[in-house]
Amino acid sequence: NAGVTQTPKFRILKIGQSMTLQCTQDMNHNYMYWYRQDPGMGLKLIYYSVGAGITDKGEVPNGYNVSRSTTEDFPLRLELAAPSQTSVYFCASSYSFMSDGYTFGSGTRLTVV
Amino acid sequence: GIQVEQSPPDLILQEGANSTLRCNFSDSVNNLQWFHQNPWGQLINLFYIPSGTKQNGRLSATTVATERYSLLYISSSQTTDSGVYFCAVVGGSGAGSYQLTFGKGTKLSVIP
Repeated sequence: NAGVTQTPKFRILKIGQSMTLQCTQDMNHNYMYWYRQDPGMGLKLIYYSVGAGITDKGEVPNGYNVSRSTTEDFPLRLELAAPSQTSVYFCASSYSFMSDGYTFGSGTRLTVV
Repeated sequence: GIQVEQSPPDLILQEGANSTLRCNFSDSVNNLQWFHQNPWGQLINLFYIPSGTKQNGRLSATTVATERYSLLYISSSQTTDSGVYFCAVVGGSGAGSYQLTFGKGTKLSVIP
């Protein structure tokens, strides 16, 4: 049982480039999330999804886009990368907002230069 | 939105010592979880504890929802306990009340 799998683990982007962070889960969770973690800070929610075809903004959505075509996959798209998007990105999933068992991926460390 | 404050921000312990980490939150909560982020960055769910007390080995947690705080106890600390401990809650009202909101964490260093 793999849980939540994120790829890539590390990436360096140049300013203005675009990329997609991949996230897949095999626990049949309806709820999926993207968080970013800046140095010395807690995690902040970028986008979330409550099921296939349904997504919504979190606390810090600017500069990002998401899609949810299947229960398993929740990719995060960065368009026109900026230095402010240098961060560690975590994907997570759960049965609901209120449930225990939030499971996190291992993270993607992104540097924009 | 709901505010989450953790204390202390940093903690250095000798191996074998005990410690208490605190999480204060500004509104009623429906969900409270403690996470450990190890030195490699992996986040591990320790406790789901919106109220009451739970224990798991050397770790235990207590949430007093009416007084808006939670405590994480680590007994007989080991070097493998090092990392950052996060408290995260779902609660409050209005926009964002559904999302898991994280504190800034307590960075624990256990030295041999």
